[in-house]
Amino acid sequence: AQTVTQSQPEMSVQEAETVTLSCTYDTSESDYYLFWYKQPPSRQMILVIRQEAYKQQNATENRFSVNFQKAAKSFSLKISDSQLGDAAMYFCAYRSAKGAQKLVFGQGTRLTINP
Amino acid sequence: KAGVTQTPRYLIKTRGQQVTLSCSPISGHRSVSWYQQTPGQGLQFLFEYFSETQRNKGNFPGRFSGRQFSNSRSEMNVSTLELGDSALYLCASSLNSDNEQFFGPGTRLTVL
Repeated sequence: AQTVTQSQPEMSVQEAETVTLSCTYDTSESDYYLFWYKQPPSRQMILVIRQEAYKQQNATENRFSVNFQKAAKSFSLKISDSQLGDAAMYFCAYRSAKGAQKLVFGQGTRLTINP
Repeated sequence: KAGVTQTPRYLIKTRGQQVTLSCSPISGHRSVSWYQQTPGQGLQFLFEYFSETQRNKGNFPGRFSGRQFSNSRSEMNVSTLELGDSALYLCASSLNSDNEQFFGPGTRLTVL
């Protein structure tokens, strides 16, 4: 069974600075997807970024980028120029590429932005 | 396009009762998945429906069931409620199995 581990329960960063959230995962599959989701206090889960395992190039979405290390099974999220609106719970998630829409989530990292 | 909607948003039940939660996916989406979120266990996959068929099921007891209608709307049912069923239940929809999931706001269930 696949597992996802987020070792940082809480992180904080000063506004406008850069922060990196860590995620490791365990799988025996070679083809899969990895995601970072954001859950603000309003509770609506929002997709931040997606990475296909077969792609060597790291995904980027504006201020958000990932460092995907397939051999190390590591998938960290970097947030540049942090903004107050980035404050939320961040979840790393794994999904097999074999067709089922089953996300396996990490325990989450609560990110606080200090003004 | 309207997002994923879930009803009701909040629900209070007592032990032993049953409850039905509803999820309306984004128009055109055929896959609907359900997740349970609790402080202790985190986010756990319940099941996925695609074109009215359950395609995958998580490790939950048989008290948890679901279904999907021809218009892709989905319901989940929990029978004989237990205190531990108190959670935020999230529904997510996707176009098909290769696309990302979009989540609804959730239904907060409290079991007393």
